[in-house]
Amino acid sequence: DAEITQSPRHKITETGRQVTLACHQTWNHNNMFWYRQDLGHGLRLIHYSYGVQDTNKGEVSDGYSVSRSNTEDLPLTLESAASSQTSVYFCASSERVLAGGWDTQYFGPGTRLTVL
Amino acid sequence: TQLLEQSPQFLSIQEGENLTVYCNSSSVFSSLQWYRQEPGEGPVLLVTVVTGGEVKKLKRLTFQFGDARKDSSLHITAAQPGDTGLYLCAGPTSGTYKYIFGTGTRLKVLA
Repeated sequence: DAEITQSPRHKITETGRQVTLACHQTWNHNNMFWYRQDLGHGLRLIHYSYGVQDTNKGEVSDGYSVSRSNTEDLPLTLESAASSQTSVYFCASSERVLAGGWDTQYFGPGTRLTVL
Repeated sequence: TQLLEQSPQFLSIQEGENLTVYCNSSSVFSSLQWYRQEPGEGPVLLVTVVTGGEVKKLKRLTFQFGDARKDSSLHITAAQPGDTGLYLCAGPTSGTYKYIFGTGTRLKVLA
């Protein structure tokens, strides 16, 4: 069965360190997204990609970067981790549909990141 | 900027009670979705409503899209402990494949 996985599931790091969170999907979806989830804020979009070599900034992209070298993976890098980046991070993927249509986002299980 | 506001934020009810959760915006959406998220997991899509006034039923869950396509509601009949979770509404941003999410309603159903 197709799936979307994230690793690690839990990570503790120190302020200033570089951290990379992995996201791998076997749906063969073009669209991939990274969100962070914080109490009172719901899911906020960090970065997204519509295909290989395509990356775009979301509403809370400062301090984060992504790269898309293949269809299956969209790793999220925190360049210099800050305590404000302590959060639960979710990766999602979806199939591209015609403009004005809708699609289903499939979410990974999440990575809980703590920055000390 | 498109925003989705959900109410209530928290809801704790007894098994067997009915409840309604609301998702409101000042913007028109081409469709709205409802997701449920259980602790330690990612959100899972429950339903998509695409036509103003549309009503969809999923067992004891009834979803409605407002006539003006600016709001949606989720009604649960005879809630059960298995309904416990975070309910999120989501809508596509105009002209893109991105979605914005509401702040969520955290439901707890007590046995």
